[in-house]
Amino acid sequence: DAGVIQSPRHEVTEMGQEVTLRCKPISGHNSLFWYRQTMMRGLELLIYFNNNVPIDDSGMPEDRFSAKMPNASFSTLKIQPSEPRDSAVYFCASSQGTPSYEQYFGPGTRLTVT
Amino acid sequence: EDKVVQSPLSLVVHEGDTVTLNCSYEVTNFRSLLWYKQEKKAPTFLFMLTSSGIEKKSGRLSSILDKKELFSILNITATQTGDSAIYLCAALNQGAQKLVFGQGTRLTINP
Repeated sequence: DAGVIQSPRHEVTEMGQEVTLRCKPISGHNSLFWYRQTMMRGLELLIYFNNNVPIDDSGMPEDRFSAKMPNASFSTLKIQPSEPRDSAVYFCASSQGTPSYEQYFGPGTRLTVT
Repeated sequence: EDKVVQSPLSLVVHEGDTVTLNCSYEVTNFRSLLWYKQEKKAPTFLFMLTSSGIEKKSGRLSSILDKKELFSILNITATQTGDSAIYLCAALNQGAQKLVFGQGTRLTINP
């Protein structure tokens, strides 16, 4: 059981650059979640998909953030252009069934924007 | 707006002590409350509580939910250094089908 896979594990980029985070959910799970975690704000839900369809993106901070899920085994979170305040750990999680509850988290991507 | 508040935010105790972590919630269409443990990496699932007053146990950890007073507690007895972590609680909004997380409690167990 590979669990949720995220890449890269660490990303350091300069302000203004485009950043793409990737996630592969657990096979058979039909819900996928993107979270952001910072010391100040804790764990925040950015967007989630059910059966590859975005259901709630109310947590996406602004238009610089976008997420896609082209198929059941892959999702991306893109930030363009990136800013220093985007520095955080970004987690992807997946779950099975609706309503989702027991979510399995990936190892996270630590993003640093300088 | 849905809200989950945990207390204390930070707690330092000695090995062998018993600790109680608190979680209160205000969530529309509440269905369940979940506890996660986060060490160096991703949160890992501990408990899900849906019914009021029924304690769930796993080894030295136990948790209970009070749906009238809108809170939950997580107890850890005979703490060990390996219990050091951030403990997160999250409330499931059934209508929106999403978890609302609290800020977490950072627990440190000193030998």
